[in-house]
Amino acid sequence: DQQVKQNSPSLSVQEGRISILNCDYTNSMFDYFLWYKKYPAEGPTFLISISSIKDKNEDGRFTVFLNKSAKHLSLHIVPSQPGDSAVYFCAMNYGGSQGNLIFGKGTKLSVKP
Amino acid sequence: KAGVTQTPRYLIKTRGQQVTLSCSPISGHRSVSWYQQTPGQGLQFLFEYFSETQRNKGNFPGRFSGRQFSNSRSEMNVSTLELGDSALYLCASSGGTAYTEAFFGQGTRLTVV
Repeated sequence: DQQVKQNSPSLSVQEGRISILNCDYTNSMFDYFLWYKKYPAEGPTFLISISSIKDKNEDGRFTVFLNKSAKHLSLHIVPSQPGDSAVYFCAMNYGGSQGNLIFGKGTKLSVKP
Repeated sequence: KAGVTQTPRYLIKTRGQQVTLSCSPISGHRSVSWYQQTPGQGLQFLFEYFSETQRNKGNFPGRFSGRQFSNSRSEMNVSTLELGDSALYLCASSGGTAYTEAFFGQGTRLTVV
């Protein structure tokens, strides 16, 4: 059974608007959460992370929110730009598992000019 | 600072053959993890090496193996290739401690015919 779910396979937004990507998980032991962006034929690029002691982390246009009680993670991109068009993966693990990241299946974001 | 380097970028092999993929991590990183990406299963963890020792292992058959050298470079081997092994194989490096992000290489696209 999938421990990490990204229920929206795709998302389309207008340039300049907010993009919200969502991720749900089932394992309450997860305590470190990351977002990656991936272009075709390339490896994932790290975007932003958050540990379970926080509920929000910002880096420029990217903000990650963590709702531990709901086991829900989201990534906000404001404002969205055409160059943000890519597949976004959420990933997570628990501190003791270091290199073993569990990934969602990705959401393809398209930002229209 | 150089990123994660994977070689080769593309490979075509015949069913039953074996293959070795190589990964050079970011300088100073001691952890190397390997992932398999397929359209149906997404990104799945294969194994992680830290200081030349396998620290974590995913749910893959014994045909998939790896090793890490004293300079942290890692190799992954797949023996007796099957058609279903066709995938993008990604290597990620990190410092190896908890709550640190992993950085990915561009991957090796393996096609088994």
